[in-house]
Amino acid sequence: AQKVTQAQTEISVVEKEDVTLDCVYETRDTTYYLFWYKQPPSGELVFLIRRNSFDEQNEISGRYSWNFQKSTSSFNFTITASQVVDSAVYFCALSLFGGYQKVTFGIGTKLQVIP
Amino acid sequence: DTGVSQNPRHKITKRGQNVTFRCDPISEHNRLYWYRQTLGQGPEFLTYFQNEAQLEKSRLLSDRFSAERPKGSFSTLEIQRTEQGDSAMYLCASSSDGTGGYNEQFFGPGTRLTVL
Repeated sequence: AQKVTQAQTEISVVEKEDVTLDCVYETRDTTYYLFWYKQPPSGELVFLIRRNSFDEQNEISGRYSWNFQKSTSSFNFTITASQVVDSAVYFCALSLFGGYQKVTFGIGTKLQVIP
Repeated sequence: DTGVSQNPRHKITKRGQNVTFRCDPISEHNRLYWYRQTLGQGPEFLTYFQNEAQLEKSRLLSDRFSAERPKGSFSTLEIQRTEQGDSAMYLCASSSDGTGGYNEQFFGPGTRLTVL
């Protein structure tokens, strides 16, 4: 079975601070996908990024960056110079290769950016 | 709008009543998924359809829950004899069935159920 752990349930930062959201995953499979989703107060899930287990390169997209380390089974997400619009719940998730690719989500980290 | 749509967006019902939700996937997607998200939790997988066939059901899907996808297009999720513990956001997602690689799941806006 797969498991995704997000130990930080709530984080508050002041606008323009950097913030890192932690994610640790467990799976016995060697091939899998990892994701981050954003869920704003409106409720819909917004896809942010997908990485596959073969690719440990870090990725940067604007103010967002992701650090994938297989050795520690972690896939952390950093927001640089946070903005109020970043306030949301962020979910880390995992899906196996093949099959119907059910997504297993973590519990989520609620980020509040204070102006 | 060509995304996944769900109706209704909100439903309030009394305990013991039956409710039905609808999901319209992206038109060319033949895979359809239902997830449930309770307050303070991440979405949890409920069931999966490949076209009209229901191929996987989670243990979370008790016998009061039934899902259908009669023509391989839209899907319905019915909850009979609702209980307060059924209060949650019910999310639908769809994906294509391409060969190889990842078939991204696109999520709908969800139906928020409140059982009084």
